[in-house]
Amino acid sequence: QVQLVQSGAEVKKPGASVKVSCKASGYTFTNYGISWVRQAPGQGLEWMGWISAYNGNTKYAQKVQGRVTMTTDTSTSTAYMELRSLTSDDTAVYYCAREALLGYWGQGTLVTVSS
Amino acid sequence: DIQMTQSPSSLSASVGDRVTITCRASQGISNYLAWFQQKPGKAPKSLIYAASSLQSGVPSKFSASGSGTDFTLTISSLQPEDFATYYCQQYNSYPLTFGGGTKVEIK
Repeated sequence: QVQLVQSGAEVKKPGASVKVSCKASGYTFTNYGISWVRQAPGQGLEWMGWISAYNGNTKYAQKVQGRVTMTTDTSTSTAYMELRSLTSDDTAVYYCAREALLGYWGQGTLVTVSS
Repeated sequence: DIQMTQSPSSLSASVGDRVTITCRASQGISNYLAWFQQKPGKAPKSLIYAASSLQSGVPSKFSASGSGTDFTLTISSLQPEDFATYYCQQYNSYPLTFGGGTKVEIK
């Protein structure tokens, strides 16, 4: 069965960076892209970007463009999302999900930005 | 960017009620519309894709329709496990965008 398993919760100081991982299993990793979606406390869902696991092509939301980098490691079927220059506004649960259709989701990774 | 507008933002309903949620896109998205259910502290769960296709394992009490700019999600007979927040999402074009959510609460 398809599974996306994310790395654990992180606490970061303002200005720092965070890198969240998303390990895929149960399907051919390079056949599907990975989207990243975040949800601030008590808020709705916000799409951050997408990466092709086939060729590494990316699409980023304008709001995080310049601060985010999405990568994949096909040898381990793992996708990564790195966000830099963190502020308190980046405190959220970060989810990976398969493709743009978002048919399968990771369990979420809470990133807390606090001084 | 395509804006997705859901209504209502919240509703109160009783077990057994029929509930309908609407989602409107700011421009035509054909049938590139998905619906998700999210319970507190959990990841969203995909219910519907291609505007009206039920994801595998999703009970048939969920149904959806629409094309172009106007879409609906209907729960035919609300059960306790259906109380959650529901989101629509367009995947016609990037950036992907979500509706603001509809919280379905117990009356």
